[in-house]
Amino acid sequence: GESVGLHLPTLSVQEGDNSIINCAYSNSASDYFIWYKQESGKGPQFIIDIRSNMDKRQGQRVTVLLNKTVKHLSLQIAATQPGDSAVYFCAENAGGTSYGKLTFGQGTILTVHP
Amino acid sequence: GAVVSQHPSWVICKSGTSVKIECRSLDFQATTMFWYRQFPKQSLMLMATSNEGSKATYEQGVEKDKFLINHASLTLSTLTVTSAHPEDSSFYICSGSGGTEAFFGQGTRLTVV
Repeated sequence: GESVGLHLPTLSVQEGDNSIINCAYSNSASDYFIWYKQESGKGPQFIIDIRSNMDKRQGQRVTVLLNKTVKHLSLQIAATQPGDSAVYFCAENAGGTSYGKLTFGQGTILTVHP
Repeated sequence: GAVVSQHPSWVICKSGTSVKIECRSLDFQATTMFWYRQFPKQSLMLMATSNEGSKATYEQGVEKDKFLINHASLTLSTLTVTSAHPEDSSFYICSGSGGTEAFFGQGTRLTVV
């Protein structure tokens, strides 16, 4: 029979454009959020993080926005490059003593065309 | 950032055999290790949490007798997949935390034939 699996959202952009990847989280008690980049066959690579007492944080070419009211997180990548092509995951830390116990979002496939 | 080394990076085993995956924190003490599993085109799902010197805490639906986790030191945790079946084929990823950040290993691609 046909197997049923999840299909990741995709985002396709041209080199040099800005990219925005969105994520909805579920736990209002989460106090720490991280964006990861995962290339094929590799483990997640840390991009940027933000704590719940902030609504914006900037890094090199990346910005994370946090809207706790609607439990929404976004990752903005400026001047996207072909090397940015990967799957991007948001992750939330539920807080408490289990730091590092992360719940991952479904992921978004970013494809950057030269 | 800190380094977590995971070994092997890939392994093929026969159905019914056991496979051990190692996760080492190279430059920090990982008081807590997390083990995740990722099926193709899916997200990472937490399997278990282990604290050094304690028994691991497994997530709902993860068989603790099948996925044996040992965290005997602050720099090493192991995951043993016992009596592996083809449906156990997946990408297994560990992460180590010293308390303020968590760092991921490179992952292990397990294929059971």
